[in-house]
Amino acid sequence: QVQLVQSGAEVKKPGSSVTVSCKASGDTFTSHSYHSVSWLRQAPGQGLEWMGRLMASLDTTNYAPKFQGRVTITADKSTSTVYLELSGLRSEDTAMYYCARDPAFINDAFDIWGQGTRITVSS
Amino acid sequence: QSALTQPASVSGSPGQSITISCTGTSSDIGIFNYVSWYQQHPGKAPKLMLYHVSDRASGVPDRFSGSKSGNTASLTISGLQAEDEADYYCSSYTSSATRYVFGTGTQVTVL
Repeated sequence: QVQLVQSGAEVKKPGSSVTVSCKASGDTFTSHSYHSVSWLRQAPGQGLEWMGRLMASLDTTNYAPKFQGRVTITADKSTSTVYLELSGLRSEDTAMYYCARDPAFINDAFDIWGQGTRITVSS
Repeated sequence: QSALTQPASVSGSPGQSITISCTGTSSDIGIFNYVSWYQQHPGKAPKLMLYHVSDRASGVPDRFSGSKSGNTASLTISGLQAEDEADYYCSSYTSSATRYVFGTGTQVTVL
């Protein structure tokens, strides 16, 4: 059974950076079952927002224009872990951050989600 | 890229049918059949319910169905059950660099 397990909650100061990890178990994200892994976020009481993705080939990333320049998605193939780094944090970045799999057989929806990582930005 | 428009809330009695609309534009729902629906219970991660407009994800009961007409997609829940009470979000692939846009969310209440 494929699972995505994310790192724990963090509290960060404005202007700092945060890195969130997402480890795949039960399958590797470089397998043929993955199309990509995306990062999404949900501010308190708000809807979902797509931030960017890493293709299963590991050689291509796409970022939403809103986050371009502040977000970096990388992966460690040896541990099947995908990372989200968000820099220049501001209070509006306070949210629950999710990683999610877009499987190859769907290719444009997210069928497996991590449990979420709460990031709080506060001085 | 603006969010897709959903009604803020929809309610129904057990056993009834409800429909949630999701209105986009000719840059997303209008030109792509990559519409998906997610169910989210409080404090939980979203769960994929439908993809490609009307295909049910694994384990999703056939009470859930989807359709699309023009720039609007719809999710119908037939035979409403207490456990269906949750927030529902639509999503679509978009021709913009944002790639994926989500709906504003609909809170479903089972009376």
